[in-house]
Amino acid sequence: QVQLVQSGAEVKMPGASVTVSCKASGHNFMTYYWNWLRQVPGQGLEWMGWINPYNGDRSYQQKFQGRVTMTRDTSIATIYMHLSNLRPDDTATYYCVGGRAKDWGSAWGQGTLVTVSS
Amino acid sequence: QPALTQPPSSSASPGESARLTCTLSSDTDVGGHIMYWYQQKPGSPPRYLLYYNSDSDKGLASGVPSRFSGSKDASVNTATLLISGLQSEDEADYYCMFWPNNDVVFGGGTKLTVL
Repeated sequence: QVQLVQSGAEVKMPGASVTVSCKASGHNFMTYYWNWLRQVPGQGLEWMGWINPYNGDRSYQQKFQGRVTMTRDTSIATIYMHLSNLRPDDTATYYCVGGRAKDWGSAWGQGTLVTVSS
Repeated sequence: QPALTQPPSSSASPGESARLTCTLSSDTDVGGHIMYWYQQKPGSPPRYLLYYNSDSDKGLASGVPSRFSGSKDASVNTATLLISGLQSEDEADYYCMFWPNNDVVFGGGTKLTVL
C-alpha cells in the first residue's frame, strides 16, 4: 500500500504562486496516475488534473489550464502541483490522490491548506 | 461536458438502508462507465469505498464493510450507493466519481445524516 505525505500549509498573497509536493512511500508509485484535487471549505471535491509518472503525460481540467503545472521526480517518488496567479477563491485544501482503473483513490495525501489572502 | 448530480442531503435511521443516487448528464451513459464512491468525514480526506461497473465487475476497497454496495440503473442513467444496516459512524458526506475521458468528474456530494 502506498502512503502519501504532502507539504505543509501555505499562506499566499493574491497574484502569487504556490507549489505543493506529495511524496509517496511503499510500492507501486509508478502504477498510479497521480491526481490533484481541491476542496474549498464547506464545498465538494474538484479534480484539477493528473500526471502519469511513467512518461510525464498530463491532463488538466480546462478551468485550470494555463495556471496549473504538475510535475514529478521519480527518483524520489514525489509529485508536485504548481498553481500560479492565485486568487482568494483558490483558498482550499489540496489533495494528491493515486488513481488507476478499479482502484481510484485508495491512496490519498493528508491534504494541504492553501490560503490566499491579502 | 459530462456531469454528475447528487442530492445534497439524505437521512435514515440506524439499522435502515440508505440509497444515495448519482445521476449522469444526458450526454453520457451510465452503462459505459465504471462508477466510484467515496466517504468523507469532517476534517479527513475522502476514503475510497468501492467501484461498480456491473454485478460481475465490482470491487470493495480494503477494509470497507460489505454493508456498502453499488448498482446502476440504465433506465434513469443513475448509479446508486447502498448502505445497509446503517450505523451512526456512516454519517458523512458521500461522493460519486467517474472518468469518462481524460478528465475525472465528481458529483457534488450528498450529506448523509443518521437520525
